[in-house]
Formats: sequence, C-alpha cells, structure tokens
Amino acid sequence: TQLLEQSPQFLSIQEGENLTVYCNSSSVFSSLQWYRQEPGEGPVLLVTVVTGGEVKKLKRLTFQFGDARKDSSLHITAAQPGDTGLYLCAGGRGSNYKLTFGKGTLLTVNP
Amino acid sequence: SAVISQKPSRDICQRGTSLTIQCQVDSQVTMMFWYRQQPGQSLTLIATANQGSEATYESGFVIDKFPISRPNLTFSTLTVSNMSPEDSSIYLCSVVRGDTQYFGPGTRLTVL
Repeated sequence: TQLLEQSPQFLSIQEGENLTVYCNSSSVFSSLQWYRQEPGEGPVLLVTVVTGGEVKKLKRLTFQFGDARKDSSLHITAAQPGDTGLYLCAGGRGSNYKLTFGKGTLLTVNP
Repeated sequence: SAVISQKPSRDICQRGTSLTIQCQVDSQVTMMFWYRQQPGQSLTLIATANQGSEATYESGFVIDKFPISRPNLTFSTLTVSNMSPEDSSIYLCSVVRGDTQYFGPGTRLTVL
C-alpha cells in the first residue's frame, strides 16, 4: 500500500505568517497533486507537479516536487484568513487517474 | 471545469438501513469515481464507475456493501447497504476531465 504522510496534521497561525506543509512517501509517484477542501465542499485542485525538482507558484503559494518524486511541499507566504482549509496531497501513478491521498493538513489562519 | 452535484448533501440513518447517493455531472464523462472520507482519515477510493459495465472495486470494498450504478455518462449512484456506525463518513464522487480530477461537494452520512 502506498502511503502519503502529511505534516503537520494541524496548523494554526496568525495572518501574515509564512508556513510550509509537507507530503512524504516511500513510493515514487508519476504526479503529485495538491488540493484544498473547505467545510461542506469537495477538494479543489490547486496544482499538479509531474517532474522531479519541479517548482510551481500560484500567487502566494509555492509547490515543490522532490527530485526523487517521493515528496512534496507547499509553502504559503503571508497567509490570509481565506487560506484556511484542509490541504490534501495526492499521488498519481500512471494514466488511470487513481489517486492516493494523504490525511491532510488542517490550516487555520487567524485574523 | 466540471460542475458536479450530489444528493443528499447529508443524512442521518439508522443501523441496518441503506442509503443511495446520487452524483450528477454537467456533461458527459468517461470516468467517475466514488471516494470515502472518514474523520481524520485520507480520502479512500471505493470504486470506479464504468458506463455500461460493472464497477471496479478497490481492495477492501465489495459490491454487496457498495453497489454502484452508472446508467449513462452523466450520472452515477452509490448505495451504502446494511449500514453500521463505521460507515459514518463523507462520500464523494469525482470525475476526470482533461488531466484534472474534479470532486462533488460530498454527502455527509451519519449512522446511528
């Protein structure tokens, strides 16, 4: 069974602070996706990374895929209350679109 | 993008009963998936719903417990049968369009 370990599980910070969330596995994935889920909603895709060492930026969010394609990180700069939510990483293998999800990091940004 | 709706959005059910969850997509898609999201746990794939053929179940999930229908390319149902409190969870359907997987809003099920 492929497992994706996310850390930290919970994170509560003040508006304006920076944070990093980690997603680690002992398995290699062909792609790694990051989702954000808000209460009462399904996960919404933020980014997909497919190349080892790849870095993608989405406004204040920076995503990195590890060189060996086993781990990934999400860095948020100057967090805002609107960033509050459950951040999920998910690994994909091949073209069958089946994803293995981590348990998520629940982020709370306090004003 | 894809617009996905699920019914019901939430329900509270008695042990031993069954609940059917509906998933409607705004346009035709080939692949539809059903996931379970238990409290404190990761999203777990239950099965892939195939149009015109039997659903493909992941390890640990069986058709008798989670029968799935896929009558056309925009609709699917998942039934949670003979429910127990351990089935309390959020159930999500998802579709693939292009290279992106889109999720419905989920059905929050509580079994008493």
